[in-house]
Amino acid sequence: GESVGLHLPTLSVQEGDNSIINCAYSNSASDYFIWYKQESGKGPQFIIDIRSNMDKRQGQRVTVLLNKTVKHLSLQIAATQPGDSAVYFCAESGGNGANSKLTFGKGITLSVRP
Amino acid sequence: DAGITQSPRHKVTETGTPVTLRCHQTENHRYMYWYRQDPGHGLRLIHYSYGVKDTDKGEVSDGYSVSRSKTEDFLLTLESATSSQTSVYFCAISDNTGELFFGEGSRLTVL
Repeated sequence: GESVGLHLPTLSVQEGDNSIINCAYSNSASDYFIWYKQESGKGPQFIIDIRSNMDKRQGQRVTVLLNKTVKHLSLQIAATQPGDSAVYFCAESGGNGANSKLTFGKGITLSVRP
Repeated sequence: DAGITQSPRHKVTETGTPVTLRCHQTENHRYMYWYRQDPGHGLRLIHYSYGVKDTDKGEVSDGYSVSRSKTEDFLLTLESATSSQTSVYFCAISDNTGELFFGEGSRLTVL
């Protein structure tokens, strides 16, 4: 697989526990945020997104929380499974539409212990 | 999965040689992007396109050029490859929602 997991912070969790992955962003004008998951040897895959007019959004087993006051984004994964092991990236952009380019964080490695 | 195909998936070349990576999509999305991914840097935008023959630079565009002659194809060219361009390259596509769909990546090694 690819070596992009090197030099990244790692979060290790027990299978079945909940995971919380955090991301700080710097651009106070950002109004659209996405979480991506990247498995070894594959391209990033969309997990969930949120716009700045919301502070919480839920998907299947995942929840994204947005705190605009402190410019903080988090991804919560319920009942973490071995298949959740991957690198997770947050991304932000300054507006609706693809011409507002996404800026990606450096990523966090999630390791699930059996 | 979004219909995105990158080619080649792996390439080894020598410093100074030209290299072209191809991204092909079957989704008819307007926007296409080329990113590079390196340890410690995450994903960085090289160039993007907002339509046929309409392209613009990203944050790390030096040493790269792109072309888009058809909606479905976006080519990334390294005119004279350098070792600093050893990386994994990802193509992405988007409609107007802002969400990006990524290809599987092309691993380039420049010796």
